[in-house]
Amino acid sequence: GAVVSQHPSRVICKSGTSVKIECRSLDFQATTMFWYRQFPKQSLMLMATSNEGSKATYEQGVEKDKFLINHASLTLSTLTVTSAHPEDSSFYICSAGGGNTGELFFGEGSRLTVL
Amino acid sequence: SQQGEEDPQALSIQEGENATMNCSYKTSINNLQWYRQNSGRGLVHLILIRSNEREKHSGRLRVTLDTSKKSSSLLITASRAADTASYFCATVYAPGANSKLTFGKGITLSVRP
Repeated sequence: GAVVSQHPSRVICKSGTSVKIECRSLDFQATTMFWYRQFPKQSLMLMATSNEGSKATYEQGVEKDKFLINHASLTLSTLTVTSAHPEDSSFYICSAGGGNTGELFFGEGSRLTVL
Repeated sequence: SQQGEEDPQALSIQEGENATMNCSYKTSINNLQWYRQNSGRGLVHLILIRSNEREKHSGRLRVTLDTSKKSSSLLITASRAADTASYFCATVYAPGANSKLTFGKGITLSVRP
């Protein structure tokens, strides 16, 4: 199946700093990518839909200025957590569509720990 | 908001037994998908069933869909210790690569060797 790569897989940062997470589709082009957040032992919550060449669409309750999304090319979307705080500590997962069926391919996730 | 609701939330079985997990949803869908997640890892797509399908098989997996009851089940036959993971159902309202997946809460499956 299609491959989606996320980097970094783990990141620890100090409170107040910004962290960038990359999501790449390795063997296909993705005009749309999705960013999810997952707390321990909980489900995935969609944060935003990343659209290549245009602004991301954020889900209700997700702060646009807090979670900056850039989808500059057909194979790369980035999520920047700005001025991170301990409550932003979570597992962030991206995904990209592989066809008209709606099947999505997921990255391995990025675990963010904010001290 | 989450649409899918899986039950049970946790399931512990002996290796070799079958595992049945259920998922219910609230609105009409285009398709329903099951995913697996090993601890601390990303999600792996298991199987997709469209709204006009009632049953689908893939290896040791069998998925059913009852649109009248808005429910689906995932059966894993002859379970193995390696099947230990969290399983999520996810629904898609409209088809297409831009469609959003709405995930259920997940089921934690433990297979004892």
